[in-house]
Amino acid sequence: NAGVTQTPKFQVLKTGQSMTLQCAQDMNHNSMYWYRQDPGMGLRLIYYSASEGTTDKGEVPNGYNVSRLNKREFSLRLESAAPSQTSVYFCASRPLTAGGSRDTQYFGPGTRLTVL
Amino acid sequence: AQKVTQAQTEISVVEKEDVTLDCVYETRDTTYYLFWYKQPPSGELVFLIRRNSFDEQNEISGRYSWNFQKSTSSFNFTITASQVVDSAVYFCALIITTNNAGNMLTFGGGTRLMVKP
Repeated sequence: NAGVTQTPKFQVLKTGQSMTLQCAQDMNHNSMYWYRQDPGMGLRLIYYSASEGTTDKGEVPNGYNVSRLNKREFSLRLESAAPSQTSVYFCASRPLTAGGSRDTQYFGPGTRLTVL
Repeated sequence: AQKVTQAQTEISVVEKEDVTLDCVYETRDTTYYLFWYKQPPSGELVFLIRRNSFDEQNEISGRYSWNFQKSTSSFNFTITASQVVDSAVYFCALIITTNNAGNMLTFGGGTRLMVKP
């Protein structure tokens, strides 16, 4: 049981390049999330997917697109990277059970992205 | 809208000292969860505790304890007899409780704890 996995761990892009960050979870969770972490600002929600086949914008969606490929996988795409997108990106997942863990999000190890 | 404030950006203590990390939150909702996450130097986010808004009992887990007070909208975290391995950034977070999967987990800015030997 690997939990939430993310690839790659590190990436350097030039302005204008595109890339896709991959996220997968093996906990059979329904909801998945993408956050970015900037220094001193905690984490901010970019996009989320309540369930397979649905995606919605979070707090800071501009410049990003997402795909919920299946229940396990949720990818984040930067079509034309900008220096302002230099950040650490975290993927998270959450079960939707009737139990007490309903609202706990479990995070992946993060992807550190630098855009030059 | 929700807000979480961690006024202490950095705390430095010597090993074996007790340390308290402050967290103050704002929400108009009456039903919500509060969380603490730990981010060690390796960078991953580790879930520590969840507390719902109806449960004001303090909780102790080993050297960790949490003090939730609705009257002051605070959810403080104390580490007793700190150790070097406790060095990390600690985040307090809040989520309102509805059936909407898009509930946003609102994070504070984090407190960097440095425990020196």
